[in-house]
Amino acid sequence: NAGVTQTPKFQVLKTGQSMTLQCAQDMNHNSMYWYRQDPGMGLRLIYYSASEGTTDKGEVPNGYNVSRLNKREFSLRLESAAPSQTSVYFCASSERTSGTYNEQFFGPGTRLTVL
Amino acid sequence: GNSVTQMEGPVTLSEEAFLTINCTYTATGYPSLFWYVQYPGEGLQLLLKATKADDKGSNKGFEATYRKETTSFHLEKGSVQVSDSAVYFCALTGTGGFKTIFGAGTRLFVKA
Repeated sequence: NAGVTQTPKFQVLKTGQSMTLQCAQDMNHNSMYWYRQDPGMGLRLIYYSASEGTTDKGEVPNGYNVSRLNKREFSLRLESAAPSQTSVYFCASSERTSGTYNEQFFGPGTRLTVL
Repeated sequence: GNSVTQMEGPVTLSEEAFLTINCTYTATGYPSLFWYVQYPGEGLQLLLKATKADDKGSNKGFEATYRKETTSFHLEKGSVQVSDSAVYFCALTGTGGFKTIFGAGTRLFVKA
């Protein structure tokens, strides 16, 4: 099992360009998440999808859109990149079983620089 | 709302020293509590978890006990190694939702 995969690993954009970050998981999890990690600020939730067909805003959704393409895939789109979106982006997935909130499984991250 | 507070770093220790990283939380109901570890250039991975009061999570020599009376989940290890150098995140998942709240992270440096 590959777990959670993310592409690309690194990306440099110019201000105003658009791009889509791809994420896929092979663990049959219902829930998927996008976070950004900035120095000294921990992880901040951008968007999440509790189950296939649903998406909801997290703590910092402005400037981003998401698509839950199917149960496996959850993409994050930057329509018009800004320098403030320079960050490391992590995708994660999780499942809930018997009322217990299970841990999240993280991808390796995408390091994005916006010039 | 739910929140997690963990001690600021960096924490610098010599090999074989005792480690404590404090974590306290605010949540309604009975959240699940987690410690994640992030090695340089990688994503977070679960270190240990506890899902109810008085549970002790343990893994790789690390331990943490879910203390509801003090709303704490402190991470401990009796003898750290250089390979334990990483960033450690305390986290909780509250009742009624799938979202997880992460602390700001504590960076640990272990010197040989």
